[in-house]
Amino acid sequence: GAVVSQHPSRVICKSGTSVKIECRSLDFQATTMFWYRQFPKQSLMLMATSNEGSKATYEQGVEKDKFLINHASLTLSTLTVTSAHPEDSSFYICSAYEGGTQYFGPGTRLTVL
Amino acid sequence: DQQVKQNSPSLSVQEGRISILNCDYTNSMFDYFLWYKKYPAEGPTFLISISSIKDKNEDGRFTVFLNKSAKHLSLHIVPSQPGDSAVYFCAASEGSNFGNEKLTFGTGTRLTIIP
Repeated sequence: GAVVSQHPSRVICKSGTSVKIECRSLDFQATTMFWYRQFPKQSLMLMATSNEGSKATYEQGVEKDKFLINHASLTLSTLTVTSAHPEDSSFYICSAYEGGTQYFGPGTRLTVL
Repeated sequence: DQQVKQNSPSLSVQEGRISILNCDYTNSMFDYFLWYKKYPAEGPTFLISISSIKDKNEDGRFTVFLNKSAKHLSLHIVPSQPGDSAVYFCAASEGSNFGNEKLTFGTGTRLTIIP
């Protein structure tokens, strides 16, 4: 099956700093990638749809200036959490579409101190 | 507004028996449904899917049933194995571009298989 990777798998940062998370489709090209966030014991919540070569589409309630998404190539999308605060601490997961199915990356655990 | 609901947060099943995980949805525009399996600190792994034109889809030990009139789907795992212990998420999407539409996830059911 298709493989999606994320980097880093875990990051700890200080409040006020920015963190970049990369999502790569390793063996296929993805014009569309998705970014999700999961809080403990809760469902995965879609944050935004990342479109190659165009602006991302954000879900209601997600601050686009805080969560910057760039989909510069068909195999890479990045999510930058700007001026991170402790409430941004969460598990961030990306996915990419291939052959009719969304495949998910392994996730990135962000902890903001 | 939880459009996809998994009312059982946990389920324990004896090894070898059938595991049945349930999912209900409220959005009548959903026409494609998926089940994912997730281990802690990992991304979800796709298991099986079903489109609204079908009422059953089977893949090995996994079968998904869809009852559109009841807006209900279920995942059957038989026989259950210890490696099936994980959190199972039901997800749904609108539109005909299967898989490329955004997914709405349920809250998950933690399945524990008892040896």
